[in-house]
Amino acid sequence: ETGVTQTPRHLVMGMTNKKSLKCEQHLGHNAMYWYKQSAKKPLELMFVYNFKEQTENNSVPSRFSPECPNSSHLFLHLHTLQPEDSALYLCASSQGGGGGPARETQYFGPGTRLLVL
Amino acid sequence: SQKIEQNSEALNIQEGKTATLTCNYTNYSPAYLQWYRQDPGRGPVFLLLIRENEKEKRKERLKVTFDTTLKQSLFHITASQPADSATYLCALNSGGGADGLTFGKGTHLIIQP
Repeated sequence: ETGVTQTPRHLVMGMTNKKSLKCEQHLGHNAMYWYKQSAKKPLELMFVYNFKEQTENNSVPSRFSPECPNSSHLFLHLHTLQPEDSALYLCASSQGGGGGPARETQYFGPGTRLLVL
Repeated sequence: SQKIEQNSEALNIQEGKTATLTCNYTNYSPAYLQWYRQDPGRGPVFLLLIRENEKEKRKERLKVTFDTTLKQSLFHITASQPADSATYLCALNSGGGADGLTFGKGTHLIIQP
């Protein structure tokens, strides 16, 4: 609906597994973001990519590893997660590139609901 | 530390009335403020953006005010409808560029028929 897709929509993994979340935007945007949304907590910004370069890492543990091969795709690689990492992971994109706040309106995907056992 | 507060208790409003949601912030100097709507199991959807030098912004039944002295934004939905029931999120950005947003916890709005 918003032009941002995420797969998978649901994921259950054990603490020793390795998995990846995928995000794709069809809006021609230059900036992409990962957010984490836990119950009863606000959305937490995790990573920002602008023109494929990582511009922000919000003190995220190394068991989360982002990858941005091009401006349309963003991955979040997961390795040896903890149960407290269970949450809704949201990808977003914005036009980016400066030029005013209207370019920073963010378009979110539907999220991946992650459960770590 | 920077903080954004939204009344996190559910807000119950009778259909047809005006719903008013509050966003307060501290230790922050936002260049602009945004409001998003989030339905259960879905990502947030952008509603309105207001800049620091704007007092008020309107879009159909929605109105946002921004008072940088009080460090507060109010979000109004007039002639509310049950379909307006959702969680509404306030988000701030301190500067230009792709910095990412800082969100409040959101207010769960329930419009009762």
